[in-house]
Amino acid sequence: NAGVTQTPKFQVLKTGQSMTLQCAQDMNHNSMYWYRQDPGMGLRLIYYSASEGTTDKGEVPNGYNVSRLNKREFSLRLESAAPSQTSVYFCASSETGLSSYNEQFFGPGTRLTVL
Amino acid sequence: RKEVEQDPGPFNVPEGATVAFNCTYSNSASQSFFWYRQDCRKEPKLLMSVYSSGNEDGRFTAQLNRASQYISLLIRDSKLSDSATYLCVVNSESGYSTLTFGKGTMLLVSP
Repeated sequence: NAGVTQTPKFQVLKTGQSMTLQCAQDMNHNSMYWYRQDPGMGLRLIYYSASEGTTDKGEVPNGYNVSRLNKREFSLRLESAAPSQTSVYFCASSETGLSSYNEQFFGPGTRLTVL
Repeated sequence: RKEVEQDPGPFNVPEGATVAFNCTYSNSASQSFFWYRQDCRKEPKLLMSVYSSGNEDGRFTAQLNRASQYISLLIRDSKLSDSATYLCVVNSESGYSTLTFGKGTMLLVSP
């Protein structure tokens, strides 16, 4: 059981380049999430997918798009990267977000630098 | 007002000390409360859920005060391995039960 996996682990982009961060979970969870973590800011929700086929904006969605490819996979795309998107990106999953006390399991993160 | 506020850190304590972290939340309708632990350059992991009646897991005790919208985490007999950042987490104000994370409090336990 790998849990939540993310690729790549590290990435350096130039301003204006695009890229997709991949996330997959093998726990048969319904809900998946993308967060970014910046120094002094804590974890902030970018987008989430309550269930396969649905996606919704979180706190900081501007500059990002997501795709819930199937139940296992949830990708995050930066269409035109900006230095302000330099951050650590975490993907997470949970059985469902509708019920209290559902733990979110996190992937190891992607460290992205935009020059 | 920030949704989840935590004590600023870092907390520097010697091994064996007792340390308490505090957290306040703004949404009185919040139903789910957690403490997560994050090691340096690693992903957050659930430490414990926080129940209305308070709960204990070994050296860790979590308390919830709904009237004051306050959550605490007490660590007794600190170990070097407890050094990490502790994140206070509550379910958010939006309709779907997403989580809101505090900025975290760093704990450094020294020999």
